[in-house]
Amino acid sequence: ETGVTQTPRHLVMGMTNKKSLKCEQHLGHNAMYWYKQSAKKPLELMFVYNFKEQTENNSVPSRFSPECPNSSHLFLHLHTLQPEDSALYLCASSQEGQGGLGSPLHFGNGTRLTVT
Amino acid sequence: GEDVEQSLFLSVREGDSSVINCTYTDSSSTYLYWYKQEPGAGLQLLTYIFSNMDMKQDQRLTVLLNKKDKHLSLRIADTQTGDSAIYFCAETTVFRYKLSFGAGTTVTVRA
Repeated sequence: ETGVTQTPRHLVMGMTNKKSLKCEQHLGHNAMYWYKQSAKKPLELMFVYNFKEQTENNSVPSRFSPECPNSSHLFLHLHTLQPEDSALYLCASSQEGQGGLGSPLHFGNGTRLTVT
Repeated sequence: GEDVEQSLFLSVREGDSSVINCTYTDSSSTYLYWYKQEPGAGLQLLTYIFSNMDMKQDQRLTVLLNKKDKHLSLRIADTQTGDSAIYFCAETTVFRYKLSFGAGTTVTVRA
């Protein structure tokens, strides 16, 4: 039990599909994040939400659309994806801000996305 | 820039020591971290070091920081099969609130 739960664990979708990834944290944190993990590449920060407000959009294509209805839930809506978007998508949370020692990141187990 | 670089693979015999190396480019890096990712799981914070420290030891883990060369290493003593994982180096500063991660080093422990 990581405290950060992501669903689904695996997702296969066609390029014309619309799907959503869900993340829920039970840690009472105020900040939530989406990261993209591709093999042999650094972890890529996609979006950051602090107290439900988006504070970072790291030049992510508009086919990825985040939603943060409250501090405990985070979604990533996907539409018209490309095969190169296939990756492991990790959700994380922290007390506030990002990554400082007083506020380390807690990660979920990720959603393995395959775009066909 | 905020680049963090690591070698991609390390193979080590069970019982030996593992040393995972990391270099970074931002001379103002303040906090440096090691995260561990086991198969099928997310990343877990393993240990950290402040930039005003040269070394930190935590049971089987030893972190060494060479600020002059911008080099960070993680030594795992008496490596066990459970240590097989991907290890990520990460850094940030008090001014740049974002964490910058490396690509991860896959450590394989062989019998």
